[in-house]
Amino acid sequence: QLQLQESGPGLVKPSETLSLTCTVSGLSVNNINYYWGWIRQTPGEGLEWIGSVYYSGTTYYNPSLKSRVTISVDTSKNQFSLTLNSVTAADTAFYYCARTRGFDIMLFDSWGQGTLVTVSS
Amino acid sequence: EIVLTQSPGTLSLSPGERATLSCRASQSLSSNFLAWYQQKPGQAPRLLIYGASIRATGIPDKFSGSGSGADFTLTIRSLEPEDFAVYYCQQYGDSPGAFGPGTKVDI
Repeated sequence: QLQLQESGPGLVKPSETLSLTCTVSGLSVNNINYYWGWIRQTPGEGLEWIGSVYYSGTTYYNPSLKSRVTISVDTSKNQFSLTLNSVTAADTAFYYCARTRGFDIMLFDSWGQGTLVTVSS
Repeated sequence: EIVLTQSPGTLSLSPGERATLSCRASQSLSSNFLAWYQQKPGQAPRLLIYGASIRATGIPDKFSGSGSGADFTLTIRSLEPEDFAVYYCQQYGDSPGAFGPGTKVDI
């Protein structure tokens, strides 16, 4: 059974870097049939796709975040990661990792439980 | 950039009733790349429908999606207590894959 679990600091200072990891169990991130992605949710802005990565390292990002985001995959650990630079309070959100439905890079059929990241000094 | 609007914002119904939720896009969606998700408090969204009308794996047939172009509908036949939740539509054909603001279905 596929499971995804987010991990990382719950508190990040303004202007610093947010880093989260998603550990996948029940399926290899090397599987050629899927992408892996990050989505965030805030009370004000709702749900927002951040980006998606393929096992090869190919990435697609939300244009509004592209200058600050990096998503990478570590096949040896069966994980993929998110870094978001220069964070502000507007980046405070629940962050979810998820698997795409096939090659639809912005459609997600399995999600982690989510992790709250607060940006505050 | 495609913007999605959902109506109504809140739908107050009773168990056993039918729910009809609307999602409208600011422009016609390519290949009907429209999905519906259900989210309960404290949980991640769950994919219900994709391709406007195709049920995701394990989703009961009381959930049905319809529509094309820019107007889409999610129908929940005979509400059960576990169906009271927030429902989001999402277009996934054009970056950045916008989500709608959600419709809350409550008792």
